[in-house]
Amino acid sequence: DTGVSQDPRHKITKRGQNVTFRCDPISEHNRLYWYRQTLGQGPEFLTYFQNEAQLEKSRLLSDRFSAERPKGSFSTLEIQRTEQGDSAMYLCASSELAGVPEQYFGPGTRLTVT
Amino acid sequence: AQKITQTQPGMFVQEKEAVTLDCTYDTSDPSYGLFWYKQPSSGEMIFLIYQGSYDQQNATEGRYSLNFQKARKSANLVISASQLGDSAMYFCAMREGRYSGGGADGLTFGKGTHLIIQP
Repeated sequence: DTGVSQDPRHKITKRGQNVTFRCDPISEHNRLYWYRQTLGQGPEFLTYFQNEAQLEKSRLLSDRFSAERPKGSFSTLEIQRTEQGDSAMYLCASSELAGVPEQYFGPGTRLTVT
Repeated sequence: AQKITQTQPGMFVQEKEAVTLDCTYDTSDPSYGLFWYKQPSSGEMIFLIYQGSYDQQNATEGRYSLNFQKARKSANLVISASQLGDSAMYFCAMREGRYSGGGADGLTFGKGTHLIIQP
């Protein structure tokens, strides 16, 4: 079990460009979550998948954001037409469907929009 | 109103002393879970301990214990015999049940406490 992995770890992009991040959860974890963390704040929930179904989206997830988990394994988070306010750490977490409730986090992708 | 309140932005503690990090929460849902995570300077969130709202006993995990006072809506983290490696940001988080529309299972985090252990 190698833990949750995220790619890339860092991304610098110009305003207006599209970016895509990938998250590979712990194998056999049915649930996958995306969070955003800005400097000096705790993570904020963005969206959540159970297997391939996206079950919940936060109001923070504007129309420019889209997430997928096509085969119920890895997930992608795409931000279209990036804005400077999108600069943040994007964290992915996974958990089992039943039993232990804790979410295991990946190392995050730090996005800088210039 | 903040759902998770951590009133200590920063704390300095001498090595080997016990530490209590405060957390109060706000929910009207009878079913909820409380979590503590550690975030070192490397950035990764590390799960420490969990307390369910119906759990009768306070949770413990090694040097970590959770002082759960349901009537006061507080869930303080206690670290016994602190070590230099405990220096990090600590976040309290809550997952609410479906009564409050929290069916997402997404966690609501506080703003964190920056703990620095001094030798």
